[in-house]
Amino acid sequence: SQQGEEDPQALSIQEGENATMNCSYKTSINNLQWYRQNSGRGLVHLILIRSNEREKHSGRLRVTLDTSKKSSSLLITASRAADTASYFCATGRETSGSRLTFGEGTQLTVNP
Amino acid sequence: DTAVSQTPKYLVTQMGNDKSIKCEQNLGHDTMYWYKQDSKKFLKIMFSYNNKELIINETVPNRFSPKSPDKAHLNLHINSLELGDSAVYFCASSLGTSGTNEQFFGPGTRLTVL
Repeated sequence: SQQGEEDPQALSIQEGENATMNCSYKTSINNLQWYRQNSGRGLVHLILIRSNEREKHSGRLRVTLDTSKKSSSLLITASRAADTASYFCATGRETSGSRLTFGEGTQLTVNP
Repeated sequence: DTAVSQTPKYLVTQMGNDKSIKCEQNLGHDTMYWYKQDSKKFLKIMFSYNNKELIINETVPNRFSPKSPDKAHLNLHINSLELGDSAVYFCASSLGTSGTNEQFFGPGTRLTVL
């Protein structure tokens, strides 16, 4: 069964607005990562949050993790048209070795 | 310099054919992966190699055979291609085998089976 589920599946906002994407997972994890995929390209790592962390920032990105609810959120502030992409969460577990399990992704469209 | 490269970028072929996709990374990583992304963008791991040794083999048909001649290369050979094999295949690499490591992805190979 799929580990991660993201919502919304698609999000359309105006430039300058904030975008929030959510990810839920089913089993215990060691860390959760967010990746971005531009159309026709490979995935690019954005940020990693460990299971003992609750919040992490990187530039305009803010990630939260709630292990009791098995959920994470990715907030992009002051969005730009260049942020248009698909965003995926991926969970890692120490016992799974290098395996990452990806969610279904959220397609974000930022309109100029 | 390209970190993780794949060839070819596009591959169009007939059912029943055999084809290969090549992947190379110049990051000095020791773990490499193959993922399949379907038309709904769902990304699923297929294989993982660490220092040329297979460490993850998800229930993939044995028509798919990965080969790692050295830790910088991981190739994927597919025999007797089927329509359902049409997808985008991504190669990735990471340092070590811990699930806490960031993975670096190649640009993908779009395989279309007619």
